[in-house]
Amino acid sequence: DIVLTQSPATLSVTPGESVSLSCRASQGISTSIHWYQQKSNESPRLLIKFASQSISGIPSRFSGSGSGTDFTLSINRVESEDFSVYYCQQSYSLPLTFGSGTKLEIK
Amino acid sequence: QVQLKESGPGLVQPSETLSLTCTVSGFSLTSYSVSWVRQPSGKGPEWMGRMWYDGDTAYNSALKSRLSISRDTSKNQVFLKMNSLQTDDTGTYYCTRDRYGYNFDYWGQGVMVTVSS
Repeated sequence: DIVLTQSPATLSVTPGESVSLSCRASQGISTSIHWYQQKSNESPRLLIKFASQSISGIPSRFSGSGSGTDFTLSINRVESEDFSVYYCQQSYSLPLTFGSGTKLEIK
Repeated sequence: QVQLKESGPGLVQPSETLSLTCTVSGFSLTSYSVSWVRQPSGKGPEWMGRMWYDGDTAYNSALKSRLSISRDTSKNQVFLKMNSLQTDDTGTYYCTRDRYGYNFDYWGQGVMVTVSS
């Protein structure tokens, strides 16, 4: 199974700062990575598909990059509604797997 | 609009079978696939398995011996059955619309399942 390692586990930031969240795959997966946001007591929401492709309805401050084994989700100027947990997920091979998440919290 | 809703028991006895139903609206089960994803409290999600739009299935190898996914297209429903439940099967179970086997663009609200005597 492909293991996805997300770092850091927790990121404390002030609203208005820009941040980068990391997801590293245990083997090369091309651009087969997708990012989700999960707010407390809610279902996950798809933010970015295939490493860098935008999703309709998602604010433009969210962007993704990377290929191979290293991927980044960037949030330009974090807003209060962005404080939640972020997960990456790979679709390169079965079983589909998720990372353990990065919690973005208010400093 | 696209909606998915899970239903089923919130409490299951150890060693017994979990049966969940996902009722969908706003899309056809013969055009889109549906996956089941579960999430223990405070942990990352785990993909369990998929009902493809053509009726085929795919399972997480870690669960394959215990898991069965089926559907009734006339009722717009997808079913999950998993046997021999243990306490580490406790968590929230989601059904999701599965985009061509790649990612999950719509999620149900989830159903919390507790395995306990």
